[in-house]
Amino acid sequence: EVQLLESGGGLVQPGESLRLSCAASGFTFSTSMINWVRQAPGKGLDWVAGFTGGGDSLYYADSVKGRFTISRDISKNTMYLQMNSLRVEDTAIYFCGHGWMAVWGQGTTVTVSS
Amino acid sequence: DIQMTQSPSSLSASVGDRVTITCRASQGIRNDLGWYQQKSGKAPKRLIFVASSLQSGVPSRFSGSGSGTEFSLTISSLQPEDFATYYCLQYSTYPWTFGQGTKVEIK
Repeated sequence: EVQLLESGGGLVQPGESLRLSCAASGFTFSTSMINWVRQAPGKGLDWVAGFTGGGDSLYYADSVKGRFTISRDISKNTMYLQMNSLRVEDTAIYFCGHGWMAVWGQGTTVTVSS
Repeated sequence: DIQMTQSPSSLSASVGDRVTITCRASQGIRNDLGWYQQKSGKAPKRLIFVASSLQSGVPSRFSGSGSGTEFSLTISSLQPEDFATYYCLQYSTYPWTFGQGTKVEIK
Protein backbone atom coordinates (compact mmCIF):
# COMPACT_ATOMS: atom_id res chain seq x y z
CA GLU A 1 0.00 0.00 0.00
CA VAL A 2 1.31 3.42 -0.98
CA GLN A 3 1.74 5.65 2.06
CA LEU A 4 3.17 9.12 2.56
CA LEU A 5 3.84 10.88 5.85
CA GLU A 6 4.76 14.56 6.05
CA SER A 7 6.56 16.14 8.97
CA GLY A 8 8.59 19.21 9.84
CA GLY A 9 5.93 21.89 9.97
CA GLY A 10 5.82 24.53 12.67
CA LEU A 11 5.62 28.20 13.57
CA VAL A 12 8.38 30.45 12.23
CA GLN A 13 8.94 34.15 11.75
CA PRO A 14 9.09 35.82 8.33
CA GLY A 15 12.48 35.33 6.71
CA GLU A 16 13.22 32.09 8.54
CA SER A 17 13.58 28.59 7.11
CA LEU A 18 11.96 25.18 7.51
CA ARG A 19 12.56 21.78 5.99
CA LEU A 20 9.58 19.54 5.39
CA SER A 21 9.92 15.79 4.98
CA CYS A 22 7.77 13.32 3.07
CA ALA A 23 8.49 9.73 4.11
CA ALA A 24 7.32 7.23 1.51
CA SER A 25 6.53 3.52 1.54
CA GLY A 26 4.80 0.93 -0.62
CA PHE A 27 6.33 1.90 -3.96
CA THR A 28 9.65 2.26 -5.78
CA PHE A 29 10.72 5.62 -4.44
CA SER A 30 13.79 6.07 -6.63
CA THR A 31 11.82 6.27 -9.88
CA SER A 32 8.58 7.81 -8.64
CA MET A 33 7.07 11.23 -9.16
CA ILE A 34 6.41 13.24 -6.00
CA ASN A 35 4.72 16.63 -5.87
CA TRP A 36 4.04 19.15 -3.11
CA VAL A 37 0.70 20.95 -2.84
CA ARG A 38 -0.35 23.48 -0.23
CA GLN A 39 -3.60 24.87 1.10
CA ALA A 40 -3.75 28.22 2.85
CA PRO A 41 -6.34 28.55 5.63
CA GLY A 42 -9.84 28.56 4.12
CA LYS A 43 -8.48 28.53 0.57
CA GLY A 44 -8.16 26.10 -2.33
CA LEU A 45 -5.36 23.79 -3.38
CA ASP A 46 -2.17 25.23 -4.83
CA TRP A 47 0.58 23.21 -6.51
CA VAL A 48 4.02 24.14 -5.14
CA ALA A 49 6.75 21.92 -6.58
CA GLY A 50 7.36 18.60 -8.28
CA PHE A 51 9.97 15.98 -8.98
CA THR A 52 9.43 13.72 -11.96
CA GLY A 53 11.23 10.66 -10.60
CA GLY A 54 13.05 8.77 -13.31
CA GLY A 55 13.56 11.91 -15.39
CA ASP A 56 15.14 13.74 -12.46
CA SER A 57 13.46 17.00 -13.43
CA LEU A 58 12.39 19.57 -10.85
CA TYR A 59 9.63 22.14 -11.21
CA TYR A 60 8.53 25.02 -8.97
CA ALA A 61 5.63 27.43 -8.83
CA ASP A 62 6.66 31.00 -9.58
CA SER A 63 5.57 32.00 -6.06
CA VAL A 64 8.28 29.82 -4.47
CA LYS A 65 10.98 29.71 -7.17
CA GLY A 66 14.36 30.71 -5.75
CA ARG A 67 13.18 30.18 -2.16
CA PHE A 68 12.05 26.53 -2.04
CA THR A 69 14.14 23.50 -3.08
CA ILE A 70 13.22 19.85 -3.50
CA SER A 71 15.72 17.13 -2.65
CA ARG A 72 15.54 13.48 -1.76
CA ASP A 73 17.38 10.77 0.16
CA ILE A 74 16.79 7.49 -1.65
CA SER A 75 18.32 5.49 1.21
CA LYS A 76 15.61 6.85 3.51
CA ASN A 77 12.77 6.87 0.94
CA THR A 78 12.24 10.50 1.88
CA MET A 79 11.58 13.65 -0.15
CA TYR A 80 12.38 17.05 1.32
CA LEU A 81 11.07 20.55 0.71
CA GLN A 82 13.56 23.13 1.93
CA MET A 83 11.76 26.42 2.43
CA ASN A 84 13.87 29.56 2.86
CA SER A 85 12.97 33.23 3.21
CA LEU A 86 9.49 32.28 4.37
CA ARG A 87 6.70 34.81 4.00
CA VAL A 88 3.38 35.22 5.79
CA GLU A 89 1.65 34.11 2.59
CA ASP A 90 3.44 30.73 2.76
CA THR A 91 1.25 29.85 5.75
CA ALA A 92 -0.59 26.67 4.75
CA ILE A 93 -0.98 22.95 5.15
CA TYR A 94 1.62 21.26 2.95
CA PHE A 95 0.83 17.91 1.37
CA CYS A 96 3.04 15.59 -0.64
CA GLY A 97 1.53 13.31 -3.25
CA HIS A 98 2.59 10.22 -5.20
CA GLY A 99 2.42 10.06 -8.97
CA TRP A 100 -0.29 12.25 -10.46
CA MET A 101 -1.46 12.97 -6.91
CA ALA A 102 -3.03 9.53 -6.68
CA VAL A 103 -2.21 9.23 -2.98
CA TRP A 104 -1.70 12.11 -0.54
CA GLY A 105 -0.10 12.36 2.85
CA GLN A 106 -2.06 13.77 5.78
CA GLY A 107 -0.27 17.13 5.57
CA THR A 108 1.92 19.22 7.84
CA THR A 109 1.08 22.76 8.94
CA VAL A 110 3.42 25.69 8.37
CA THR A 111 2.65 29.01 10.04
CA VAL A 112 4.72 32.09 9.24
CA SER A 113 3.98 34.92 11.63
CA SER A 114 5.77 37.57 13.59
CA ASP B 1 0.45 28.66 -17.42
CA ILE B 2 -2.78 26.74 -17.97
CA GLN B 3 -5.76 28.20 -16.11
CA MET B 4 -8.49 25.90 -14.86
CA THR B 5 -11.90 27.53 -14.49
CA GLN B 6 -14.20 25.46 -12.31
CA SER B 7 -17.92 26.03 -11.89
CA PRO B 8 -20.01 26.47 -9.93
CA SER B 9 -18.05 27.64 -6.88
CA SER B 10 -20.78 26.22 -4.67
CA LEU B 11 -24.10 24.45 -4.97
CA SER B 12 -26.89 23.29 -2.72
CA ALA B 13 -28.44 19.92 -3.46
CA SER B 14 -30.55 17.25 -1.84
CA VAL B 15 -29.80 13.60 -1.23
CA GLY B 16 -30.61 11.72 -4.43
CA ASP B 17 -29.97 14.68 -6.74
CA ARG B 18 -27.80 14.45 -9.83
CA VAL B 19 -24.93 16.94 -9.62
CA THR B 20 -22.49 18.07 -12.31
CA ILE B 21 -19.33 20.14 -11.83
CA THR B 22 -17.34 21.44 -14.77
CA CYS B 23 -13.74 22.50 -15.40
CA ARG B 24 -12.54 24.39 -18.42
CA ALA B 25 -8.86 24.55 -19.34
CA SER B 26 -7.38 27.64 -20.99
CA GLN B 27 -5.67 25.38 -23.51
CA GLY B 28 -5.89 21.73 -24.50
CA ILE B 29 -4.71 19.23 -21.91
CA ARG B 30 -5.68 15.99 -23.69
CA ASN B 31 -7.21 13.92 -20.86
CA ASP B 32 -4.57 14.78 -18.24
CA LEU B 33 -7.06 15.68 -15.54
CA GLY B 34 -8.05 14.37 -12.14
CA TRP B 35 -10.96 15.06 -9.80
CA TYR B 36 -10.55 15.20 -6.03
CA GLN B 37 -12.88 15.23 -3.05
CA GLN B 38 -11.86 17.01 0.14
CA LYS B 39 -13.73 16.86 3.43
CA SER B 40 -13.09 19.37 6.17
CA GLY B 41 -9.72 18.92 7.86
CA LYS B 42 -8.71 16.00 5.65
CA ALA B 43 -6.34 15.46 2.75
CA PRO B 44 -7.94 15.37 -0.71
CA LYS B 45 -8.89 11.99 -2.14
CA ARG B 46 -8.66 11.21 -5.85
CA LEU B 47 -11.94 10.12 -7.43
CA ILE B 48 -11.17 10.19 -11.16
CA PHE B 49 -7.94 10.09 -13.19
CA VAL B 50 -7.21 10.62 -16.89
CA ALA B 51 -10.52 12.47 -17.03
CA SER B 52 -12.84 9.47 -16.92
CA SER B 53 -11.23 6.52 -15.09
CA LEU B 54 -12.73 5.72 -11.70
CA GLN B 55 -10.23 5.35 -8.88
CA SER B 56 -10.35 1.92 -7.26
CA GLY B 57 -12.73 1.86 -4.31
CA VAL B 58 -14.68 4.95 -5.38
CA PRO B 59 -18.44 4.41 -5.75
CA SER B 60 -19.77 4.09 -9.28
CA ARG B 61 -22.14 7.04 -8.78
CA PHE B 62 -19.08 9.20 -9.52
CA SER B 63 -18.14 9.61 -13.18
CA GLY B 64 -15.92 11.89 -15.23
CA SER B 65 -15.98 12.92 -18.85
CA GLY B 66 -14.33 15.27 -21.29
CA SER B 67 -11.15 15.82 -23.22
CA GLY B 68 -9.17 18.75 -24.51
CA THR B 69 -10.54 21.80 -22.70
CA GLU B 70 -13.93 20.80 -21.27
CA PHE B 71 -14.37 18.35 -18.41
CA SER B 72 -17.09 17.37 -16.00
CA LEU B 73 -17.59 15.39 -12.82
CA THR B 74 -21.05 13.93 -12.25
CA ILE B 75 -22.50 12.41 -9.10
CA SER B 76 -25.52 10.46 -10.29
CA SER B 77 -27.35 10.27 -6.95
CA LEU B 78 -25.93 12.43 -4.18
CA GLN B 79 -25.40 10.66 -0.88
CA PRO B 80 -24.94 12.21 2.59
CA GLU B 81 -21.23 11.36 2.59
CA ASP B 82 -20.71 13.25 -0.70
CA PHE B 83 -21.12 16.68 0.85
CA ALA B 84 -17.60 18.06 0.48
CA THR B 85 -15.46 20.31 -1.72
CA TYR B 86 -14.38 19.06 -5.14
CA TYR B 87 -11.36 20.13 -7.19
CA CYS B 88 -10.06 19.41 -10.66
CA LEU B 89 -6.31 19.23 -11.35
CA GLN B 90 -4.55 19.42 -14.70
CA TYR B 91 -1.23 17.59 -14.81
CA SER B 92 -0.61 17.92 -18.53
CA THR B 93 2.01 20.63 -18.15
CA TYR B 94 3.99 22.11 -15.29
CA PRO B 95 3.04 24.20 -13.40
CA TRP B 96 0.14 21.94 -12.51
CA THR B 97 -3.02 23.89 -11.76
CA PHE B 98 -6.16 23.25 -9.74
CA GLY B 99 -9.64 24.57 -10.27
CA GLN B 100 -10.92 26.95 -7.61
CA GLY B 101 -13.09 24.27 -6.00
CA THR B 102 -16.81 23.53 -5.73
CA LYS B 103 -18.40 23.26 -2.31
CA VAL B 104 -21.37 20.89 -2.35
CA GLU B 105 -23.76 21.68 0.49
CA ILE B 106 -26.98 20.19 1.78
CA LYS B 107 -30.18 21.91 0.64
